[in-house]
Amino acid sequence: EIQLQESGPGLVKPSQSLSLTCSVTGYTITSGYDWSWIRKFPGNKMEWMGYISYSGSTNYNPSLKSRISITRDTSKNQFFLQLNSVTTEDTATYYCASPFAYWGQGTLVTVSS
Amino acid sequence: DVVMTQTPPSLSVAIGQSVSISCKSSQSLVHSDGKTYLNWLLQNPGQSPKRLIYQVSNLGSGVPDRFSGTGSEKDFTLKISRVEAEDLGVYHCVQATHVPWTFGGGTKLELK
Repeated sequence: EIQLQESGPGLVKPSQSLSLTCSVTGYTITSGYDWSWIRKFPGNKMEWMGYISYSGSTNYNPSLKSRISITRDTSKNQFFLQLNSVTTEDTATYYCASPFAYWGQGTLVTVSS
Repeated sequence: DVVMTQTPPSLSVAIGQSVSISCKSSQSLVHSDGKTYLNWLLQNPGQSPKRLIYQVSNLGSGVPDRFSGTGSEKDFTLKISRVEAEDLGVYHCVQATHVPWTFGGGTKLELK
């Protein structure tokens, strides 16, 4: 069974970078799928942020393109999110997912000074 | 970006009732490969989203057949027959045909 688990700081200061890790078990991330980051804002709004494919190519939401980077460590079967220059509007629950069948449990990241 | 308009924003239902949720896209969701990448998700309170339907009408793994998806091009519907308590939560449609992938605004299903 594929399982995903997010980890990282729950509090980030404005203008700093948000960094999250997604650890995948039960499947090798180089075998298939697009490994995504998706966030849910307070309320119900959801936003796809981007993915790194099994081959290593990336695709980002243009609304974030200047601030986002998704990378991976295949030796650890992990992929990562970095979002630069965060503001309070980036406060959200962040999910890693293999869209859309497999999801992590989500991690709340609050941007506040 | 493709705008996904989901209605209604909320539904109040009785257990055993049947309900439908609509999702309309601003562009056709038929991909160049001929497939239509329209999914339906359910997020129960305090849990991660769960995929109910993929490619318009295919039932996700372990999803009861009380759920069904129909539609084509720009107009899609999720139907829940005989609502059960475990069905309560927020439903989202999401398209993965066009980048960026985009979500509907959500439909909150509550008990009457």
